[in-house]
Amino acid sequence: DGGITQSPKYLFRKEGQNVTLSCEQNLNHDAMYWYRQDPGQGLRLIYYSQIVNDFQKGDIAEGYSVSREKKESFPLTVTSAQKNPTAFYLCASSIDKWQTQYFGPGTRLLVL
Amino acid sequence: KQEVTQIPAALSVPEGENLVLNCSFTDSAIYNLQWFRQDPGKGLTSLLLIQSSQREQTSGRLNASLDKSSGRSTLYIAASQPGDSATYLCAVRRQYGANNLFFGTGTRLTVIP
Repeated sequence: DGGITQSPKYLFRKEGQNVTLSCEQNLNHDAMYWYRQDPGQGLRLIYYSQIVNDFQKGDIAEGYSVSREKKESFPLTVTSAQKNPTAFYLCASSIDKWQTQYFGPGTRLLVL
Repeated sequence: KQEVTQIPAALSVPEGENLVLNCSFTDSAIYNLQWFRQDPGKGLTSLLLIQSSQREQTSGRLNASLDKSSGRSTLYIAASQPGDSATYLCAVRRQYGANNLFFGTGTRLTVIP
């Protein structure tokens, strides 16, 4: 089956800890994205990558980091510098920036 | 920057009713506009995509319209069903810029049996 997978479904972070959210796609898409969703707000773009080994900051990149070493994978690290990380994180991919984005099921990050 | 607004934030209707969801945007230089559905705690599913040159798109009981000059789009749902209950998000893709997709905050729809 083709699609986007995200893991884990739920993730708990302790204060001062870095955590990494996984995003994998087998759609052969060049572009991948990470969004943050908070209650009552729209999706906000954290980072995006239009091609392997390249990525750009979105609107709210502070406290986050990414890598794009493989076409299929775009992991997001929430660092200790992100003071309010509790949110629902969505990964998406598309053929290019002009085409439909396909979304994964999301990861909910909670702070202990 | 492109601002996308969806009103109302929440809507409840009895089963069987036809309904309209609204989306407005500030920059008319759009490439396309897309409607998504999001179920609670889930990812987004694409419903309809309208290119800037099109006026409307239809899929089953859904019909989306686009009026670029006035910066508006509507999503019409015919004969609503309880299974239509979800949050509907509008997203506008701008013609320029590396980061070119902007989302509204969504309308949470509840269809009452």
